[in-house]
Amino acid sequence: NAGVTQTPKFRVLKTGQSMTLLCAQDMNHEYMYWYRQDPGMGLRLIHYSVGEGTTAKGEVPDGYNVSRLKKQNFLLGLESAAPSQTSVYFCASSPGVLTEAFFGQGTRLTVV
Amino acid sequence: DQQVKQNSPSLSVQEGRISILNCDYTNSMFDYFLWYKKYPAEGPTFLISISSIKDKNEDGRFTVFLNKSAKHLSLHIVPSQPGDSAVYFCAAKPIHAGNMLTFGGGTRLMVKP
Repeated sequence: NAGVTQTPKFRVLKTGQSMTLLCAQDMNHEYMYWYRQDPGMGLRLIHYSVGEGTTAKGEVPDGYNVSRLKKQNFLLGLESAAPSQTSVYFCASSPGVLTEAFFGQGTRLTVV
Repeated sequence: DQQVKQNSPSLSVQEGRISILNCDYTNSMFDYFLWYKKYPAEGPTFLISISSIKDKNEDGRFTVFLNKSAKHLSLHIVPSQPGDSAVYFCAAKPIHAGNMLTFGGGTRLMVKP
């Protein structure tokens, strides 16, 4: 009963390096989201997807790209990491618009 | 400017007493509200929600109250238990305008035995 799984759980990057965070859900949900959590800021939406092959910008999309090639996977990419991208990243999925989102355990990313 | 605010970063309550967590919002387009609970090193988990057509929703020990005119909602936990100690996030969205949830900054609740 996996739910939403994020890979990796921790990562340290040097400024300018690139990486991809993987999110996988096994609940057949249409909607998927990437959030970042910073102290005192709550969770802020980076990008989201309303179905396979679709993506849309959220509140803080700059510096990130996403892809949803398969319904169960939602990838978040950082092309050139910056210290301002040090954060905890959460992936979530939901079956519909007026339903709660189910979150993964998070990825703690540090950019030095 | 934050559209959803939780002005109390932390709250300490004795076991068995009531916990009241508050949330204010500024966007009058918000009409669906959720509360999430988060333990350390885990993702947020959904707790309870309310739409703007209601002013109260109850689920066991948890009740959410919505005051639309004041743009204020609150989460009541009665009775509070040590296992309720966590960070609580308030979130809001417009029903007819997409999927973007806007979160507050969170309130850390500590329930003392």
